[in-house]
Amino acid sequence: GAGVSQSPRYKVAKRGQDVALRCDPISGHVSLFWYQQALGQGPEFLTYFQNEAQLDKSGLPSDRFFAERPEGSVSTLKIQRTQQEDSAVYLCASSLDRDQETQYFGPGTRLLVL
Amino acid sequence: KQEVTQIPAALSVPEGENLVLNCSFTDSAIYNLQWFRQDPGKGLTSLLLIQSSQREQTSGRLNASLDKSSGRSTLYIAASQPGDSATYLCAVASYNTDKLIFGTGTRLQVFP
Repeated sequence: GAGVSQSPRYKVAKRGQDVALRCDPISGHVSLFWYQQALGQGPEFLTYFQNEAQLDKSGLPSDRFFAERPEGSVSTLKIQRTQQEDSAVYLCASSLDRDQETQYFGPGTRLLVL
Repeated sequence: KQEVTQIPAALSVPEGENLVLNCSFTDSAIYNLQWFRQDPGKGLTSLLLIQSSQREQTSGRLNASLDKSSGRSTLYIAASQPGDSATYLCAVASYNTDKLIFGTGTRLQVFP
């Protein structure tokens, strides 16, 4: 079956530009996570959804970052007024339900802000 | 605040060697610990998940152990192959939170 997909795979943005990153989780997965991975580092948690409810957004680095999952399936991570320090790989993961611990990761979106 | 550390940061070995990758965490109140593999430009693939009540998990040539009280986990790779070359990440999940806390990874290269 299809895994987690993300688009675009690569994005180059000029500083100050807004970007939107899309995540399609595995069909039927209730939980969805966004992580940010800087070069040479492990992923760091950004935010978590259970269905359409955003239950934890403690990892979002600033109010320029916004995530939504309006219908409980596809999610979008939006970054406004991008800065160079936003350059990273953005990973999306989904899991079957809150008690299903295994998270399945997408290939990520590599964002480069110039 | 939970912190996860992985040693070594990088490892280069000839094919056939048995390997041990180490992961340590500061808060022993974990729900589970997972080991992932990440290939360049790719997402993460889950290798093994150990529940807090378990001591080890095995999958093929991989064996992961967990000592919760000392805050340590090891990933043992038997008879390494060039196809094992990747970055290996460990991550812990704590009670009352759904997020994973990752280490910085061990970059493994197995040469023929």
